[in-house]
Amino acid sequence: AQTVTQSQPEMSVQEAETVTLSCTYDTSESDYYLFWYKQPPSRQMILVIRQEAYKQQNATENRFSVNFQKAAKSFSLKISDSQLGDAAMYFCAYRNFGNEKLTFGTGTRLTIIP
Amino acid sequence: GAVVSQHPSWVICKSGTSVKIECRSLDFQATTMFWYRQFPKQSLMLMATSNEGSKATYEQGVEKDKFLINHASLTLSTLTVTSAHPEDSSFYICSAPRASLQHTEAFFGQGTRLTVV
Repeated sequence: AQTVTQSQPEMSVQEAETVTLSCTYDTSESDYYLFWYKQPPSRQMILVIRQEAYKQQNATENRFSVNFQKAAKSFSLKISDSQLGDAAMYFCAYRNFGNEKLTFGTGTRLTIIP
Repeated sequence: GAVVSQHPSWVICKSGTSVKIECRSLDFQATTMFWYRQFPKQSLMLMATSNEGSKATYEQGVEKDKFLINHASLTLSTLTVTSAHPEDSSFYICSAPRASLQHTEAFFGQGTRLTVV
């Protein structure tokens, strides 16, 4: 079974600064997807960014980018120019190719300091 | 706007009663939906996969008789917590995958906070 580990229960960053959230995973598959989801206080899950394992290029979405290291099974999220609205729980998630089931990490609570 | 709607957003029920939670895909058909449970300050744990027209697939350790899932149409899945007890109090979230030309994306409902008193 796949596992996803987030070793940082809480992180904080000064507004406008950059922060990196860590995620590692374990799988024996070669084709899969990785995601970062944001869960604000409203509890609505919001997709932040996705990465296909077969792509070597790291995904980026505006201020959000990932550092995907397939051999190391590492998938970190970098948030640049942090904004107050970025405050939320962030979950790293894994999905096998051809399967819609998501496996979530334990989450990192991100606080933005004004 | 939301593409997956979950109802109710919160419910309080008495111990021993049953509660039904609905999950609807609003502008697409979903042959598969997923039900998650989230304890306070914890991650989402997959409970079961809801399959349209067939039985749900439950994850290990999830009581199928306690958590009844029905996926009667391509846009609606329901989770019924039967004979609810205080330990069933939790946040329940559904999701439905929607396919596009490039990929499939999971869309989540707003969640349901269940409190059993």
